[in-house]
Amino acid sequence: DAKTTQPPSMDCAEGRAANLPCNHSTISGNEYVYWYRQIHSQGPQYIIHGLKNNETNEMASLIITEDRKSSTLILPHATLRDTAVYYCIVKRLSGGSNYKLTFGKGTLLTVNP
Amino acid sequence: NAGVTQTPKFRVLKTGQSMTLLCAQDMNHEYMYWYRQDPGMGLRLIHYSVGEGTTAKGEVPDGYNVSRLKKQNFLLGLESAAPSQTSVYFCASNTDREKRNTIYFGEGSWLTVV
Repeated sequence: DAKTTQPPSMDCAEGRAANLPCNHSTISGNEYVYWYRQIHSQGPQYIIHGLKNNETNEMASLIITEDRKSSTLILPHATLRDTAVYYCIVKRLSGGSNYKLTFGKGTLLTVNP
Repeated sequence: NAGVTQTPKFRVLKTGQSMTLLCAQDMNHEYMYWYRQDPGMGLRLIHYSVGEGTTAKGEVPDGYNVSRLKKQNFLLGLESAAPSQTSVYFCASNTDREKRNTIYFGEGSWLTVV
């Protein structure tokens, strides 16, 4: 699976949009971009995923560039509870490599009051 | 629906002792995983299972053994605990049958080896 690069940390003011970037320049055509987050001392939690179109759900929006080499996770109105480590992961949707959910160090997002 | 449940949540072991972490999922998932997370690092895969009766090594398998005798349970064993195994352990599961194929994690088990 393709590797990803994320900034180690970011700050955001409460109520503002948080934009978290991720580079995945070696992504292949059948690999999806997944985002998870891990709030302190808890297990990681799924946020959103996409292939090439932009996606939106109740938690966030995912913007994937046309060449699919990078993406941005957007939390439209960040709250203090969004302070967490955010992981960008690239993997195939199904098949024998399901186990290959490889976590990097992620981005520590701190939402400030 | 409890999801993924890990027991125990906290444990302190002496070097050389053995113990077993239990992971249970009630979602009928085929795939189950054990990860460990050390301070300031991402999760690293220890072992995984693609179905009842099967197990395989992940990224950091040394010092651990696993068993999947029942589909809903995945056990992680430490035969002779070492201080280097002090970590937070996360169990996870998923299925191909779910469209978005997300992985569900337990809340973690904090293990200290002294």
